Formats: sequence, structure tokens, C-alpha cells
Amino acid sequence: DTEVTQTPKHLVMGMTNKKSLKCEQHMGHRAMYWYKQKAKKPPELMFVYSYEKLSINESVPSRFSPECPNSSLLNLHLHALQPEDSALYLCASSQAQFSGNTIYFGEGSWLTVV
Amino acid sequence: SQQGEEDPQALSIQEGENATMNCSYKTSINNLQWYRQNSGRGLVHLILIRSNEREKHSGRLRVTLDTSKKSSSLLITASRAADTASYFCATDHYGQNFVFGPGTRLSVLP
Repeated sequence: DTEVTQTPKHLVMGMTNKKSLKCEQHMGHRAMYWYKQKAKKPPELMFVYSYEKLSINESVPSRFSPECPNSSLLNLHLHALQPEDSALYLCASSQAQFSGNTIYFGEGSWLTVV
Repeated sequence: SQQGEEDPQALSIQEGENATMNCSYKTSINNLQWYRQNSGRGLVHLILIRSNEREKHSGRLRVTLDTSKKSSSLLITASRAADTASYFCATDHYGQNFVFGPGTRLSVLP
């Protein structure tokens, strides 16, 4: 069982909508990640938060806006998305960034943009 | 690209057979991890092997690492239908985030 919880599991949104994906972990991890995964492809890193500060932004379009309210929570705010943004969005956490520790993944949020 | 490359891309075997997947990478690593992903689910961590280790076991899983060849292999023995999944290697390059390979899709037929 994963200890990284993501909500919602499924989300359908129009291109003009604003929605958010949420992620929570209670393992005391100080690094949290957002990945995007398309069908039959590996996860691609989008953002990394380290000690609640944005550490890495992999040139993600501004229609994706991450937020880390505290050490346990990670949000991904979505606005004016495109159909090609439809994918599985995975949240993950690890004890620290760049530490060679295991990354623990949530079950993901399936996003469909119509 | 530092991305690991899995081989084969897809593998079909009968239940009870062994499955071997390979991962190659281009630059020095700190460690290498293997993950499993059932269809439409999150990734589950299987094994982490550090650069100074050559082999690790976990249940029916055996991982080897050959840093001179920049490659790793994952062996699943006595496979079961429940092992059907995609398997990814993820390489940790010093001071950088994990990079996932393209994955191997394993089908275990009953």
C-alpha cells in the first residue's frame, strides 16, 4: 500500500476550467515531486519541492502551477489546459532530494482534458 | 541523455518461467532502482542497488549491477500472472534527480 495519497483519482476538465490535484504524505519526507506520465511512456519529472521550496521546474508550461503549503502537502493547480495535457499525474516523495533514497509514488490522478 | 534504456521493450512468458529485463545507462550513477507499475496504477519500488554493490535479492527478484558495462538486470524467477506489469529502471546520477528508462512491458501468461 502506498503512503502517498492523491486526490482525485480521476478528473475531467474543460480547457477553460481551473482545477487542482492534491497529494499528501505522512512519512516525514522533505522532498516531493510531480511527474507526468503518458500511455506506455516512463514518468517525466515536472516539479520538485525540497524543504517546501521549489527546487526544480522542468520547463513546464505556466498552465501548471505547483504549490507546497506545508511539508506534507503538495498541490498542482491546473488552468487553461490543452487536450495533450491528458495524462496520469503522479505525486511522489522521498526523504530528501539528491540523496539516493527511494522515491515513493502515489496511485496517480488520471486527467482528461476535453 | 542519461536516461536508462530497458531491453526488451516487451516480453511475454509462461507462468513459472523466469523473466529477465536489462537496463543500460550512459553516465556514472550513484545508485539504480527498479520499479513496477501495474496498468493504470502508481509505481511500486522493488529494489535499490548502490554503485558499490553487484547483486541484491528480494524474494523472487534478483538484481545485478555491472558498472563497468553500465548495465543492470532484473530477474524474476518462477513468474506468476500477477507479475504482469511494466518494469522501469531509474538511475540516480550524482546531484541530479532520478531518470526513468522507457520500461519493459512484461506479460505472464497462465
